[in-house]
Amino acid sequence: DAGITQSPRYKITETGRQVTLMCHQTWSHSYMFWYRQDLGHGLRLIYYSAAADITDKGEVPDGYVVSRSKTENFPLTLESATRSQTSVYFCATSRNTGELFFGEGSRLTVL
Amino acid sequence: GENVEQHPSTLSVQEGDSAVIKCTYSDSASNYFPWYKQELGKRPQLIIDIRSNVGEKKDQRIAVTLNKTAKHFSLHITETQPEDSAVYFCAASGLGGGADGLTFGKGTHLIIQP
Repeated sequence: DAGITQSPRYKITETGRQVTLMCHQTWSHSYMFWYRQDLGHGLRLIYYSAAADITDKGEVPDGYVVSRSKTENFPLTLESATRSQTSVYFCATSRNTGELFFGEGSRLTVL
Repeated sequence: GENVEQHPSTLSVQEGDSAVIKCTYSDSASNYFPWYKQELGKRPQLIIDIRSNVGEKKDQRIAVTLNKTAKHFSLHITETQPEDSAVYFCAASGLGGGADGLTFGKGTHLIIQP
């Protein structure tokens, strides 16, 4: 049981390019989240979703787009990548008990 | 929205000693306070959590205390061991009770000196 998987694990791209980070879960948890982790900032919420076709902005949503057509998938798209979006991105799920289950992370470098 | 402050940012203790990490939160409606441990290059993982109807919770060498009046909570690790070296994050649930995600502190890098 893979639980929650993220892909790609590592990505290097150039400024202005579109990048999509994938997140897939096998638990059927209702809630899914995208966080970014940067030194000195901890974990900051980008977007979250309570169910299929329901998404909401978090603390730092600018420059990102999400969709959730199926319960198990929650892709994060950077429509035009900028250097400030270089970060480690974590997808997480929750059963609405509050506890988050994190994926292994996707390290993105924007040159 | 919720704001979580965490101190210290770095904590170095001798192996066998105790470590204490403190957090404050701003939203009095928050009712869930977890602690996550993140080893280098790994994902954050829950180590202990507490809900607002409880003042203290223990699990072997780790414990969490909550003071709702003062809006602060703390992580206590006793008899520290080398494997306790990691970054620890506190978090609070905010208005949504967790449904709209957790707000995290900026983390404490715990270093266990041999």
